[in-house]
Amino acid sequence: SQELEQSPQSLIVQEGKNLTINCTSSKTLYGLYWYKQKYGEGLIFLMMLQKGGEEKSHEKITAKLDEKKQQSSLHITASQPSHAGIYLCGAGRTGTASKLTFGTGTRLQVTL
Amino acid sequence: DAEITQSPRHKITETGRQVTLACHQTWNHNNMFWYRQDLGHGLRLIHYSYGVQDTNKGEVSDGYSVSRSNTEDLPLTLESAASSQTSVYFCASSGAYNEQFFGPGTRLTVL
Repeated sequence: SQELEQSPQSLIVQEGKNLTINCTSSKTLYGLYWYKQKYGEGLIFLMMLQKGGEEKSHEKITAKLDEKKQQSSLHITASQPSHAGIYLCGAGRTGTASKLTFGTGTRLQVTL
Repeated sequence: DAEITQSPRHKITETGRQVTLACHQTWNHNNMFWYRQDLGHGLRLIHYSYGVQDTNKGEVSDGYSVSRSNTEDLPLTLESAASSQTSVYFCASSGAYNEQFFGPGTRLTVL
């Protein structure tokens, strides 16, 4: 099965600092989806990447999918306390793109 | 606004009892999914459905069943609850680009 590795597993940054979270697969990704989860709540869909080299931004969050479609990064600029939570990447599988495999998540804390 | 809801939000039950968790979506999506989330394991797929009367097993389906009698609902049943099924359960439905939208989750404790 296609496994997704996320790094780092956890991250503590000071408010205002930039940070990057990575999601890596040993196989080609067929659709890469980023989610955010706050403790005790459901997953919130952030953005989706499908094409190699694609980049999308929403407010201060930018996600990129590399040309080989095996790695994605999520970059947060000027972090705020509201960015704290768990970030998960999910990827479609060959032939059954509607089913997603998820990484184990990156826990982000933002200190004042 | 379209949404996906789960009930109950919290449930405590005893070993051996049958439990049903409800999932209802108003997105009119054909694809629906059930996951469990546990520390160290992330999200794992239990069952999924691509439409009415269609159900499929995921990677951790033992001890669970689902049925799909209409587009909006995909209830998850634990036939005989076990302590290993203590977890947080999430339901999701997916749109045209396979992006999944999640419910708020049900925290289940089996004593």
